[in-house]
Amino acid sequence: DTGVSQNPRHKITKRGQNVTFRCDPISEHNRLYWYRQTLGQGPEFLTYFQNEAQLEKSRLLSDRFSAERPKGSFSTLEIQRTEQGDSAMYLCASSMDRGNSPLHFGNGTRLTVT
Amino acid sequence: SQKIEQNSEALNIQEGKTATLTCNYTNYSPAYLQWYRQDPGRGPVFLLLIRENEKEKRKERLKVTFDTTLKQSLFHITASQPADSATYLCALDPRTTDSWGKLQFGAGTQVVVTP
Repeated sequence: DTGVSQNPRHKITKRGQNVTFRCDPISEHNRLYWYRQTLGQGPEFLTYFQNEAQLEKSRLLSDRFSAERPKGSFSTLEIQRTEQGDSAMYLCASSMDRGNSPLHFGNGTRLTVT
Repeated sequence: SQKIEQNSEALNIQEGKTATLTCNYTNYSPAYLQWYRQDPGRGPVFLLLIRENEKEKRKERLKVTFDTTLKQSLFHITASQPADSATYLCALDPRTTDSWGKLQFGAGTQVVVTP
């Protein structure tokens, strides 16, 4: 168990470009979450999966954002036509499928849109 | 609207003293509340969970209380050490259908422990 892994750690992109982030959860966890965090704020929920099914998306998630978890293992988060307001830390977390299971977070991907 | 409020000002404390952080919430009926620690540039790390029917939970030098009447949780770090310096986040489960585990976080309180 190496914990939750996220790649890349940092991404700098120009406005209008597409970016994709990857998350590898803890192998026995069937729940996977994406959060976004800006400076001085707590993580904001974006979306989550149970196995390969995407169960909920936040209203914060515009149509430019899409997430997948094709085989119920790793997940990708894609942002199309990036905007400067997308600059943030994107955090992935995984958990067991129990109501009170703690979340295990990765160290995030820091996105800077110039 | 639902709100989770934590002290926005940093808590500066001397080594060996007890740090006390508050988490207040409105328009939630959480089944449980969790506390996380976050260091700069890292993801949050789970510390403690307390359920709605529990008044207090302890883990080593950490203690959490949960008052569902006051809609408040207190987080205590006793005998604080410089290594405890970090931001501490509280998180609630909004307890809506199929939302188990969809935690919502407060903005966090930064703790600075000086020798």
